[in-house]
Amino acid sequence: GQNIDQPTEMTATEGAIVQINCTYQTSGFNGLFWYQQHAGEAPTFLSYNVLDGLEEKGRFSSFLSRSKGYSYLLLKELQMKDSASYLCAVMDSNYQLIWGAGTKLIIKP
Amino acid sequence: ETGVTQTPRHLVMGMTNKKSLKCEQHLGHNAMYWYKQSAKKPLELMFVYSLEERVENNSVPSRFSPECPNSSHLFLHLHTLQPEDSALYLCASSQETMGSYNEQFFGPGTRLTVL
Repeated sequence: GQNIDQPTEMTATEGAIVQINCTYQTSGFNGLFWYQQHAGEAPTFLSYNVLDGLEEKGRFSSFLSRSKGYSYLLLKELQMKDSASYLCAVMDSNYQLIWGAGTKLIIKP
Repeated sequence: ETGVTQTPRHLVMGMTNKKSLKCEQHLGHNAMYWYKQSAKKPLELMFVYSLEERVENNSVPSRFSPECPNSSHLFLHLHTLQPEDSALYLCASSQETMGSYNEQFFGPGTRLTVL
């Protein structure tokens, strides 16, 4: 079966750096997405990786290793507003998104 | 209105009621989706529409009935639901259903409680 694993919850301190990992096993691979979802709100797109390596976008970076079935989202200079759930999703060979359960990130002052 | 909108935002219904969820996208996209989001579980894809035609139905019980009258509107008709159907129902749209870089844009969801 298809599976996406990510930690359920993480805690970090304001101003620090946090890395949220995602491992996947899917039928084919057409890219990996990271979304952010604040409580009670819509998920919003953060990043997309289809080739190995690091994609940087401001304070957020996303890394992909296709051979290892592994990705991480790196958040730098954490702010209180970064408290949210972070969803990892992989597009399989049928162009269907397979979702992880999300990682709830708690930022403490 | 911009993006993807959903109404109502909250809905409480009894098991014998009939209700409908509405989604509208203002992005000119061709594909629309219904997802179910339960606490601490992955998003579950329910239905996919491409240019008003249903292209995916992930073994969803018949008490959920989708309708897509045009590429901008999507409905989810609900009848004789069960308490375990209580969840956040998210609507999303994307330019197409195929293609690698196919970012989905989500609405804020309808929080459904079945008593």
